[in-house]
Amino acid sequence: AQKVTQAQTEISVVEKEDVTLDCVYETRDTTYYLFWYKQPPSGELVFLIRRNSFDEQNEISGRYSWNFQKSTSSFNFTITASPVVDSAVYFCALSEASLAGNMLTFGGGTRLMVKP
Amino acid sequence: DTGVSQDPRHKITKRGQNVTFRCDPISEHNRLYWYRQTLGQGPEFLTYFQNEAQLEKSRLLSDRFSAERPKGSFSTLEIQRTEQGDSAMYLCASSFGSEPFTDTQYFGPGTRLTVL
Repeated sequence: AQKVTQAQTEISVVEKEDVTLDCVYETRDTTYYLFWYKQPPSGELVFLIRRNSFDEQNEISGRYSWNFQKSTSSFNFTITASPVVDSAVYFCALSEASLAGNMLTFGGGTRLMVKP
Repeated sequence: DTGVSQDPRHKITKRGQNVTFRCDPISEHNRLYWYRQTLGQGPEFLTYFQNEAQLEKSRLLSDRFSAERPKGSFSTLEIQRTEQGDSAMYLCASSFGSEPFTDTQYFGPGTRLTVL
């Protein structure tokens, strides 16, 4: 079974529109971290945000906000979209305390296309 | 602060040849990771070093793959007798912290390998 599922493979929005990227995860650990990374066409994965399993407080930071809900095992990410900087593939990832090696388990990614 | 660097950025090779990639982590980062990403997929964990010790290897890392981090600084990933299925982006990441699974991993630009 997929540990991290990003059901949306591709989303297209217009500039300044709010878009929510969905992430559903699966773990038996009570202690874990969740991450969002962005991969622009250049290929480099850029860290955006992280949350630990004990902190369900949702936050807004500039154009970004996130909604972490343990009850539904979801960690959704919302952007007020800007075409130049936000068109990219977005990955949700999980880090579990029980796994040796600190491996990140990534979802399949959501490609976001922002049109002017 | 210099980020994670990888060399080369692109490598084209013929099937059966050996290739070696290099990763230079962020200075002072004690942990280093290798991931592989195929087209349209999220990155998959390959291996992890804490200082010079290789502490975890994925079953994706076949006998043809070997990774080293001889002095706890840069790392190399070698693939022997390359196969067309090895064609992928090879990503390196580094992190620093007291508890591995809590770290934020910072990624390099990747090395794109094409095996003809």
